[in-house]
Amino acid sequence: QQQVKQSPQSLIVQKGGISIINCAYENTAFDYFPWYQQFPGKGPALLIAIRPDVSEKKEGRFTISFNKSAKQFSLHIMDSQPGDSATYFCAASVNKAAGNKLTFGGGTRVLVKP
Amino acid sequence: EAGVAQSPRYKIIEKRQSVAFWCNPISGHATLYWYQQILGQGPKLLIQFQNNGVVDDSQLPKDRFSAERLKGVDSTLKIQPAKLEDSAVYLCASSSRTGAARNTIYFGEGSWLTVV
Repeated sequence: QQQVKQSPQSLIVQKGGISIINCAYENTAFDYFPWYQQFPGKGPALLIAIRPDVSEKKEGRFTISFNKSAKQFSLHIMDSQPGDSATYFCAASVNKAAGNKLTFGGGTRVLVKP
Repeated sequence: EAGVAQSPRYKIIEKRQSVAFWCNPISGHATLYWYQQILGQGPKLLIQFQNNGVVDDSQLPKDRFSAERLKGVDSTLKIQPAKLEDSAVYLCASSSRTGAARNTIYFGEGSWLTVV
């Protein structure tokens, strides 16, 4: 019930195109859904996050769409750039005073071709 | 603001040997995490500390892994004896305890372990 499933495992998109990554979860207690971006040799870095009381959140070229009833959320990268080439992880957690225990998806390797 | 510091960055050991990784979290962050990231997979939480107390170590293989955060600041993760399947990146992370900032978890660059 703690699992977060992410798809696709990899995708290739042309510069200027849209990258879409999907995640699904089972645990209805999850109340915080971040996306992390990881470049080779680096640790994951928070990209954008959403709570289940909103259906969409946009920050620059990055948008999270959230469907609470379907227990799914997705990341859209608009106008994809070669610098966006990285591995993206969705995650979910139950917000606690003692901190968040993030459960990560398996990751999506995105390659943006110039 | 300095980020999460980890050392060593790379380590190669033979199976059955021991290894220790060190982490210094962002200043003032009460919560510290150790994650294991196997190549091609998402990070998996090994242990979570709140100050110097353990909050969650349910996924820590306690027969070979140990971790401590004695003074509530830096932390050490030890593996003894190492197995081939322990080859992974060990990520340390930290977060603030208060307000909305507690949701943001900051990761270090990781310690890469290869067991041969």
